[in-house]
Amino acid sequence: DAGVIQSPRHEVTEMGQEVTLRCKPISGHDYLFWYRQTMMRGLELLIYFNNNVPIDDSGMPEDRFSAKMPNASFSTLKIQPSEPRDSAVYFCASSPTGSNQPQHFGDGTRLSIL
Amino acid sequence: AQSVTQLGSHVSVSEGALVLLRCNYSSSVPPYLFWYVQYPNQGLQLLLKYTSAATLVKGINGFEAEFKKSETSFHLTKPSAHMSDAAEYFCAVSRISGNTPLVFGKGTRLSVIA
Repeated sequence: DAGVIQSPRHEVTEMGQEVTLRCKPISGHDYLFWYRQTMMRGLELLIYFNNNVPIDDSGMPEDRFSAKMPNASFSTLKIQPSEPRDSAVYFCASSPTGSNQPQHFGDGTRLSIL
Repeated sequence: AQSVTQLGSHVSVSEGALVLLRCNYSSSVPPYLFWYVQYPNQGLQLLLKYTSAATLVKGINGFEAEFKKSETSFHLTKPSAHMSDAAEYFCAVSRISGNTPLVFGKGTRLSVIA
């Protein structure tokens, strides 16, 4: 079975540029989550979707961040304009509907903003 | 609000020794608890989950965890450490069910000494 697929795996760009991270969840999973991992703050939720609808975006740092899920098999996280403090590893995870279903994580995108 | 505390950011054990990674949770509702492992440059992989069907939960790679409500703990153990167990381990709790976002502990890095 294909797992959660994220692209790119690594992204290095200059401050002020637009960054787009992509995620393909596991087929049949109704929930999609975006997390960010940093040394200072650990793993924290940015936003999550259910059936392509954003449910909670309270973790999105500021208006520079936006996320979409146009269909059940694709989601994007966009940062515009990017800043050095956005440097982190961004993870996408998905899970099926059902009580106590675990989340399956992608390998992450390591983002460096210079 | 749910929270998780992992005691010890770094644990070092000898190969063949007992592994004990500590996790305490705070939850106003019966918790859904998980342990994940992260190998370098990879995403998080589920080790085990608490389902409320049994207080002792067995996971992959010989790991197990015991849910103790009176101590609000969910410690992870393995009787005999192997070199391949060296990784970062995260305890997590979800708000209501596995379909809701995870709140992670800060993680414990496990080193295994030959």
